[in-house]
Amino acid sequence: GESVGLHLPTLSVQEGDNSIINCAYSNSASDYFIWYKQESGKGPQFIIDIRSNMDKRQGQRVTVLLNKTVKHLSLQIAATQPGDSAVYFCAEKNTGNQFYFGTGTSLTVIP
Amino acid sequence: KAGVTQTPRYLIKTRGQQVTLSCSPISGHRSVSWYQQTPGQGLQFLFEYFSETQRNKGNFPGRFSGRQFSNSRSEMNVSTLELGDSALYLCASSLDGYWTYEQYFGPGTRLTVT
Repeated sequence: GESVGLHLPTLSVQEGDNSIINCAYSNSASDYFIWYKQESGKGPQFIIDIRSNMDKRQGQRVTVLLNKTVKHLSLQIAATQPGDSAVYFCAEKNTGNQFYFGTGTSLTVIP
Repeated sequence: KAGVTQTPRYLIKTRGQQVTLSCSPISGHRSVSWYQQTPGQGLQFLFEYFSETQRNKGNFPGRFSGRQFSNSRSEMNVSTLELGDSALYLCASSLDGYWTYEQYFGPGTRLTVT
């Protein structure tokens, strides 16, 4: 079955710095990926998505990079703010339209 | 537009009992998915309903079941509760468009089994 892992369970960054959160996935047939942000007491919130036919996608202050060769996904957050402190999940969609989530990286922004 | 709502938000049950959780999707969304979230396993897919039919199912025992009504509202049921069923149960709805699979999550129901 699919296995989605995150390289670091926790990440601390200084306010204003850029953050990079990494994710490895195991199913080379996965065709769609999403990054979610989950704040304490809330459900996951969509940040950005990317299809497998793309290498990079940019949003507001966020960029997702997809490296299909090594099955690696990353989320870059520019000018990290205190409000970015949360747990970040990557998720992959298999061809059966099921989503598999990683266990999450807890991002702490230091003022 | 109202978001995904889940009821109840918190629930305490005893081992062996059964429980029913409810989810109301965003208006117009016909796909509803259920996930179990625990600290050790993260988010795990339970099942997805679309137009009152179960379209996908994860690897959970038959004690976990669900259904969807004609207004897209969904319920999930867990029978014969076990201590390990303690978790945050999340519901997510989506428009199920061709080019996007963006799911909108509710706040979850925190189930504690004692």
